[in-house]
Amino acid sequence: SAVISQKPSRDICQRGTSLTIQCQVDSQVTMMFWYRQQPGQSLTLIATANQGSEATYESGFVIDKFPISRPNLTFSTLTVSNMSPEDSSIYLCSESTGGIDGYTFGSGTRLTVV
Amino acid sequence: QKEVEQNSGPLSVPEGAIASLNCTYSDRVSQSFFWYRQYSGKSPELIMSIYSNGDKEDGRFTAQLNKASQYVSLLIRDSQPSDSATYLCAVNWRGSQGNLIFGKGTKLSVKP
Repeated sequence: SAVISQKPSRDICQRGTSLTIQCQVDSQVTMMFWYRQQPGQSLTLIATANQGSEATYESGFVIDKFPISRPNLTFSTLTVSNMSPEDSSIYLCSESTGGIDGYTFGSGTRLTVV
Repeated sequence: QKEVEQNSGPLSVPEGAIASLNCTYSDRVSQSFFWYRQYSGKSPELIMSIYSNGDKEDGRFTAQLNKASQYVSLLIRDSQPSDSATYLCAVNWRGSQGNLIFGKGTKLSVKP
């Protein structure tokens, strides 16, 4: 499976601002996924990002709030826009080249909005 | 609504015992199943994957899949305190081009 470098690892942000999270993969991958993990909860898929097309968002998540870029097959960004304390979560990117052998996750970004 | 259900625990076992973690899923077309381990403050780490009915063993870990009953389980033999973590069951939903649906996780505590 690929190795994903995710940054920043954590940040404390003021409400109303935006934060961009970056994921760099050490090999070319077709699909990347962005998840959110709220405190004490499991992972919820935000969107699927394919290179060369617009991201596909899950119910409850919109592009204006979570714009995603996928400029090439090794890189993706997620922006959390106009943040509120409710956005305080861990954000994780993932890729699926492992297929049935598993999906790899980045190290996560712990976001606190104050 | 596709769902993955897990007992949230906490599940407490003594060191050296067998820990049994269970998961049920609602979507009959799901093809592959995963167990992830997540330590507090860390990202999920893949432990086992399974896609055929029956058992799959890897060291101290055994995954069991029963598609007819729509459940998947993870057995951890000779449990160690270092196994204390939250275990997430994940199911691949074929219709969504590959993303995983996660259960809420079972917190395992192995007591020395």
